[in-house]
Amino acid sequence: EVQVVESGGGLVQPGGSLRLSCVASGFTFNDYAMRWVRQAPGKGLEWVSSIVDSGSDTYYADSVKGRFTISRDNSKNTVYLQMNSLRAEDTAIYYCAKAHNLYFEDWGQGTLVTVSS
Amino acid sequence: EIEMTQSPATLSVSPGDRATLSCRASQSVRSNLAWYQQKPGQAPRLLIYGASTRATGIPARFTGSGSGTEFTLTISSLQSEDFAVYYCQQYNSWPPFTFGQGTKLEIK
Repeated sequence: EVQVVESGGGLVQPGGSLRLSCVASGFTFNDYAMRWVRQAPGKGLEWVSSIVDSGSDTYYADSVKGRFTISRDNSKNTVYLQMNSLRAEDTAIYYCAKAHNLYFEDWGQGTLVTVSS
Repeated sequence: EIEMTQSPATLSVSPGDRATLSCRASQSVRSNLAWYQQKPGQAPRLLIYGASTRATGIPARFTGSGSGTEFTLTISSLQSEDFAVYYCQQYNSWPPFTFGQGTKLEIK
C-alpha cells in the first residue's frame, strides 16, 4: 500500500523559514517524480513544486520561485520543501503527492503551514 | 499558462440522481486531464486520468469524457459518499500544472 506522510508544518513569522518533509513507502521511491501542492484555507488546489525521480530536475510555481527549494533523498524515501522568506499568502495545507505519468496519483494527508505574526 | 474553468461552482443533486460536472481548458490539453475528489478535512483523491480512465478502485458510476478543451465528469446514481468537491487538472502543458477552481457537489 502506498503511503505518503508529510511533516514539518507549523506557525512561522513572516520572513521566516520552514522545512517540510514527506516520507513515502509502498512503492519504489526512486522511480517516481514527487510534487508539492498547497491549499489555502477555503480555497482550491495550487501546484507548488515538482522534482523528477533522480532529483536532477526541479520545477516551481512562479509564486514560490526563488523562495522555495525542493529536494529529495532517495536513500531515505523522503522529499523536502525548504521554504524561505515566507509570506502570509503562503499559509496553506501543503500536500505531498506521488506523480504518475504527470498526474497526481497518491496524496498525503497534508501539513498545515501558518505564516503570521 | 493554461487556465482551467469548472462549472458550475456548486451543484445541488438528490441522492440517486445523476450529476454532470464540466471543465474547460483555455487551450487544448488533448486528453491529458485528471479529475480529483476531495471530501472535507481529507486529501484529494485521484478519480480519473487520461480524461476517461478510472483510477484503481474507483466505482464504475464515475465516468470521464471529453478531449481538447471540453471535459465532463458524470456521476450516475449519486451515493451519499459522493458529495464532495471535485477538481479537474491538466498535465499537457507544464509547468505549471493547473487545477480548476473546483465544483462543490451538495445534497439537494
